[in-house]
Amino acid sequence: DAGVTQSPTHLIKTRGQHVTLRCSPISGHKSVSWYQQVLGQGPQFIFQYYEKEERGRGNFPDRFSARQFPNYSSELNVNALLLGDSALYLCASRQLPYGGQETQYFGPGTRLLVL
Amino acid sequence: GENVEQHPSTLSVQEGDSAVIKCTYSDSASNYFPWYKQELGKRPQLIIDIRSNVGEKKDQRIAVTLNKTAKHFSLHITETQPEDSAVYFCAASKGSSASKIIFGSGTRLSIRP
Repeated sequence: DAGVTQSPTHLIKTRGQHVTLRCSPISGHKSVSWYQQVLGQGPQFIFQYYEKEERGRGNFPDRFSARQFPNYSSELNVNALLLGDSALYLCASRQLPYGGQETQYFGPGTRLLVL
Repeated sequence: GENVEQHPSTLSVQEGDSAVIKCTYSDSASNYFPWYKQELGKRPQLIIDIRSNVGEKKDQRIAVTLNKTAKHFSLHITETQPEDSAVYFCAASKGSSASKIIFGSGTRLSIRP
């Protein structure tokens, strides 16, 4: 049974560019969340999607956007990249958004470096 | 706003001794408290979690306690082993339709041989 998968594993971009990160949840999981983890810090919540709808948003600028597809996979888009966007971007999936199945499982992450 | 504070930031213990990591949360509506272990260059892995209707939970050498009144929860690792060396994150969530999890800042645990 495959876990959460993310692509690409590593990415190097320059300031001002755009990036798209992809995530496939565990089979049967309908909810996907995105987190940003800067080196030496805990993951920071960016978005949560369920059934293609945004269900939660963290304190990130409008340069960050996401969407979820009918197969429950998700994309995170970041426009106008800044040096400070360099981080590990983690995707996490869970089975249901409502109480009782809160456990989230993380993917391996995409390490983004902005030069 | 929602906040989770974690202490200590670094912890070094002798192999075989116990390690304790403590967290406090600000949102009294939080009802789900997972703990994650993250090894260098790897994803966070869930090691144990507790829900607000339970005061303590154990899984082999790992235990978590929750004090809802004080808004404190703690991770206890007994009989520590070298493979326990990692960064540990506590987290809190409301477990509602928005599954935002607020993470602590992490504790780097080192086990001395």
